[in-house]
Amino acid sequence: GAVVSQHPSWVICKSGTSVKIECRSLDFQATTMFWYRQFPKQSLMLMATSNEGSKATYEQGVEKDKFLINHASLTLSTLTVTSAHPEDSSFYICSESDLGYEQYFGPGTRLTVT
Amino acid sequence: GQQLNQSPQSMFIQEGEDVSMNCTSSSIFNTWLWYKQDPGEGPVLLIALYKAGELTSNGRLTAQFGITRKDSFLNISASIPSDVGIYFCAGQNRGNQGGKLIFGQGTELSVKP
Repeated sequence: GAVVSQHPSWVICKSGTSVKIECRSLDFQATTMFWYRQFPKQSLMLMATSNEGSKATYEQGVEKDKFLINHASLTLSTLTVTSAHPEDSSFYICSESDLGYEQYFGPGTRLTVT
Repeated sequence: GQQLNQSPQSMFIQEGEDVSMNCTSSSIFNTWLWYKQDPGEGPVLLIALYKAGELTSNGRLTAQFGITRKDSFLNISASIPSDVGIYFCAGQNRGNQGGKLIFGQGTELSVKP
C-alpha cells in the first residue's frame, strides 16, 4: 500500500502556543486528505477533508479558525492547532486518498498541551 | 459526528480461539472496511468489501458485507498473540461525500497465550 508519513510523531507544547503537524504522501499523489482526532480509548473522529488547492471542509463542531488546514500540494497537507489548550491534547491522524477512494493512514501525532 | 455501532467493545480470549465482531449502521454504505490499530499507530487496512453479500478472506480473517448494506462482521480464526489490538469497522460511500469514512467505536482484543 501507499506510504504516508507524519511529522512530528509526538509534540509537547505550552498552552497558548501553536503547533503544526505535517502529513506527506511518499509514493503517490493525494487528491484528498483527511484529518482525524482520536482521544484515548475512543474511535477516530473526522475533523476535516481537504482537496489540493481548495479550502478544507470542516465537520460540524470543529472550529476552522482553531484548526488550520493547508493542502498546498498533492503530497503535503498541514494541520496547525492555534492557541492550543490542554483539551486539544489528542492523537491526530491524517489519511490521504487518490481518485480510487482508498485511504492510506499516517502513523499519527501525539499532541500534549501543558 | 455519525458513528457506527460496533460490538463487542472488548474481548479477552485464549490463544487459538476464534473471534467474531460486528458493526451495524442506521444508513447504508456501498463500501465496508475493517482496520486494525496498534497502540500509538495509525489504522492499517485489513479487509475491504465493495458489494452487498460479499464474503472476503485475508489469511485467518474473514469479513462479510451484509445484504442490507447496513452491517458487516469480521471473524478471526485461531487467534495468536499478535492479533492483540483495536479493530475498527468503517463505512464509506464511494462516489459522494468525498469518500469519507465513518468509524465504529472499536473492539479491543486481548489474547492470552
